[in-house]
Amino acid sequence: KAGVTQTPRYLIKTRGQQVTLSCSPISGHRSVSWYQQTPGQGLQFLFEYFSETQRNKGNFPGRFSGRQFSNSRSEMNVSTLELGDSALYLCASSPRTGAGNTIYFGEGSWLTVV
Amino acid sequence: AQSVTQLGSHVSVSEGALVLLRCNYSSSVPPYLFWYVQYPNQGLQLLLKYTSAATLVKGINGFEAEFKKSETSFHLTKPSAHMSDAAEYFCAVSANYGGSQGNLIFGKGTKLSVKP
Repeated sequence: KAGVTQTPRYLIKTRGQQVTLSCSPISGHRSVSWYQQTPGQGLQFLFEYFSETQRNKGNFPGRFSGRQFSNSRSEMNVSTLELGDSALYLCASSPRTGAGNTIYFGEGSWLTVV
Repeated sequence: AQSVTQLGSHVSVSEGALVLLRCNYSSSVPPYLFWYVQYPNQGLQLLLKYTSAATLVKGINGFEAEFKKSETSFHLTKPSAHMSDAAEYFCAVSANYGGSQGNLIFGKGTKLSVKP
């Protein structure tokens, strides 16, 4: 079974631009979560989608948004990029949502904002 | 509120030595606990998961963790370290209600270095 796939793996953007990251979950998984990882803040939860609905949302500004499609694939978008948005963005999938479910992570998308 | 504390942001051991990475949790209900590993420039990989079926949980790559309710601990161990174990390790507890922390609450991570 293929794992969580994220594209692109690496990208460089200019401050003020926007970026869209894509995630394909493990087949059959309906929950997709996004995390931001930086050296200073560690792993921070962005949002979770389940059956095309946002279930949970972390404490990030409105510039960070996401969506999930009917095939469970998900995208996240960051508008008006700032230097501080440079990070590893991790997508994770799970068969269901809620406590106790095992979450499987992708390799991540490395975003550098210059 | 649930939380996870990993003691020691950096741990260094010699090859062949015991690996012990500490994790303490706070939870008002019986928790689901996880250990993940992150190798350089990669995502997180699940090492093992505690689900209350057994207090000693065996994971991949020779790692295991023991759930101790009285100590609210879930420490990760490996009898003999290998150079390939050098990575960052994250302990996590499953959140009961999700919310702004999501379904998994992570510790800050412990970087393991293995000396030849």
